[in-house]
Amino acid sequence: DTGVSQDPRHKITKRGQNVTFRCDPISEHNRLYWYRQTLGQGPEFLTYFQNEAQLEKSRLLSDRFSAERPKGSFSTLEIQRTEQGDSAMYLCAGGRGRETYGYTFGSGTRLTVV
Amino acid sequence: DAKTTQPNSMESNEEEPVHLPCNHSTISGTDYIHWYRQLPSQGPEYVIHGLTSNVNNRMASLAIAEDRKSSTLILHRATLRDAAVYYCILRAANTGNQFYFGTGTSLTVIP
Repeated sequence: DTGVSQDPRHKITKRGQNVTFRCDPISEHNRLYWYRQTLGQGPEFLTYFQNEAQLEKSRLLSDRFSAERPKGSFSTLEIQRTEQGDSAMYLCAGGRGRETYGYTFGSGTRLTVV
Repeated sequence: DAKTTQPNSMESNEEEPVHLPCNHSTISGTDYIHWYRQLPSQGPEYVIHGLTSNVNNRMASLAIAEDRKSSTLILHRATLRDAAVYYCILRAANTGNQFYFGTGTSLTVIP
């Protein structure tokens, strides 16, 4: 148990459908991050929240992507009109917002768009 | 994005020490050096981090060069469970604190 839960673990969807992923960090994690990882590459930063505020979005986060963190607890990442290029592992990480701490990653959601 | 350079892959024999190098010549004075590792089909796992001084924890040691332009992650006795991709990351202290991964070093442990 890493302390950060992601659901679902795997998702297969048809191109053009919408999908939503959920991330549940532990209560101490005032910061929450989303990353995307394709095969053979390191994770790529997408966006992050401090409490409920979305403070930064990567240029990788197109207008088909939206993330929320209502009440500063769990977070959702939605992809609308999925494309085959969206196939990847989507990782969530929680942190305490200080550089003296490491971040805790979830096990990720593997998305396959067919 | 702060840049780090790591070898693509390394091998080690089981129960021997492993030294994983990382170059970060453009590091700024407020950047922390973090190491994460990622086992297959899992999210990255925090290993260790430091600023200027060498650091030890139950997983590994981090040796930081005096000029901070390079660092070395040391696994004192490699086990098969240490086979993973190891990422060296710079984390800025006074920004959003998001960090950027490179492609890391894939460590193979030979029984």
